[in-house]
Amino acid sequence: EPEVTQTPSHQVTQMGQEVILRCVPISNHLYFYWYRQILGQKVEFLVSFYNNEISEKSEIFDDQFSVERPDGSNFTLKIRSTKLEDSAMYFCASRLTGQPQHFGDGTRLSIL
Amino acid sequence: AQSVTQLGSHVSVSEGALVLLRCNYSSSVPPYLFWYVQYPNQGLQLLLKYTTGATLVKGINGFEAEFKKSETSFHLTKPSAHMSDAAEYFCAVSEGNFGNEKLTFGTGTRLTIIP
Repeated sequence: EPEVTQTPSHQVTQMGQEVILRCVPISNHLYFYWYRQILGQKVEFLVSFYNNEISEKSEIFDDQFSVERPDGSNFTLKIRSTKLEDSAMYFCASRLTGQPQHFGDGTRLSIL
Repeated sequence: AQSVTQLGSHVSVSEGALVLLRCNYSSSVPPYLFWYVQYPNQGLQLLLKYTTGATLVKGINGFEAEFKKSETSFHLTKPSAHMSDAAEYFCAVSEGNFGNEKLTFGTGTRLTIIP
């Protein structure tokens, strides 16, 4: 069964550094999402992306965050200047029209 | 605005016993409802979904859930727990017609199975 693939599985970064989290959605999917889960808390929506533009973003998704689908297969989340509170598990998801979202295994981001 | 409440952050049941995980939702429009399961160090796997039609939905691994509009509930059940069911379970709601809408998750319920 096709899967959403996320790399790396664990990313350790110094505070203030830029980080890029990578996702390869399922190949024929059209809608893409990023969520995050701070340790011990619930999964929170960050951003949705369709037709090469952001459809919706949450309050969390401020100017430090950006998303890109650079080559038709990858979907990336960039954090420009990381803060300690950005430490979390980041999940990518994708779906077809009329179908549920499929999630990747996540990238654990640790900010030192 | 949509929201989800999961009662009980931790639930323990004996192997072979009934599993009942509670979920209540709030939505301004007819909701789409989901249960996802998260095993340790893994992502979120869809267990089942309710969109329209039959209010009792069956999912993978013997789980089912019933949409009760009058109670704004979507509780997850399994008649007989198995050790492999130990995981974290998340209820989620999405508004709209499977457009571009985000999922709003509950805080999760960690299910422990007692041998």
